[in-house]
Amino acid sequence: GENVEQHPSTLSVQEGDSAVIKCTYSDSASNYFPWYKQELGKRPQLIIDIRSNVGEKKDQRIAVTLNKTAKHFSLHITETQPEDSAVYFCAASFGNQFYFGTGTSLTVIP
Amino acid sequence: EAGVAQSPRYKIIEKRQSVAFWCNPISGHATLYWYQQILGQGPKLLIQFQNNGVVDDSQLPKDRFSAERLKGVDSTLKIQPAKLEDSAVYLCASSFLDGGNEQFFGPGTRLTVL
Repeated sequence: GENVEQHPSTLSVQEGDSAVIKCTYSDSASNYFPWYKQELGKRPQLIIDIRSNVGEKKDQRIAVTLNKTAKHFSLHITETQPEDSAVYFCAASFGNQFYFGTGTSLTVIP
Repeated sequence: EAGVAQSPRYKIIEKRQSVAFWCNPISGHATLYWYQQILGQGPKLLIQFQNNGVVDDSQLPKDRFSAERLKGVDSTLKIQPAKLEDSAVYLCASSFLDGGNEQFFGPGTRLTVL
């Protein structure tokens, strides 16, 4: 089955700096890659996603890049703000199945 | 639109007891997922339904866990008997179709097994 690895597990940045979280996957058939943000005690919420026919997608301060050859994708958050502090999960999906990474706890220091 | 509903929000039981969780997906969503999220880890898929049929239950510990979605709408997940290692948040999610579409998560049920 699919194996998704996520790094780093924790990340601290100063407010205004950028944050990058990386995920790798093992199954080349995976074709949908969502990123979720989970605040403490709350449900995961989709913040951005990318499909395998696209190399990059951007939504305001958030962007995701995908390298199908290397089987890795990354989340980029620019101009970080304290409210960006949360746990971020990547996932890889093919057909009916979703596999999640282990999460990155991001802390933005004011 | 109304979101995914789950109940109860919290449950504390002793080991070897039974517990059941309920999920009502977003109206019209054919696919329903149950995940187990242990503290500090990502969600792990337990079972996936497409309407009232099981699509994937390969990671469901079938000796103690069961789930059903009889009418293809709401679903229940049961644990009988519970073990200490079952302490986790149980998340229900739904999507309009199968993979490749956004999953919407419910608030989760936090289970503590003593």
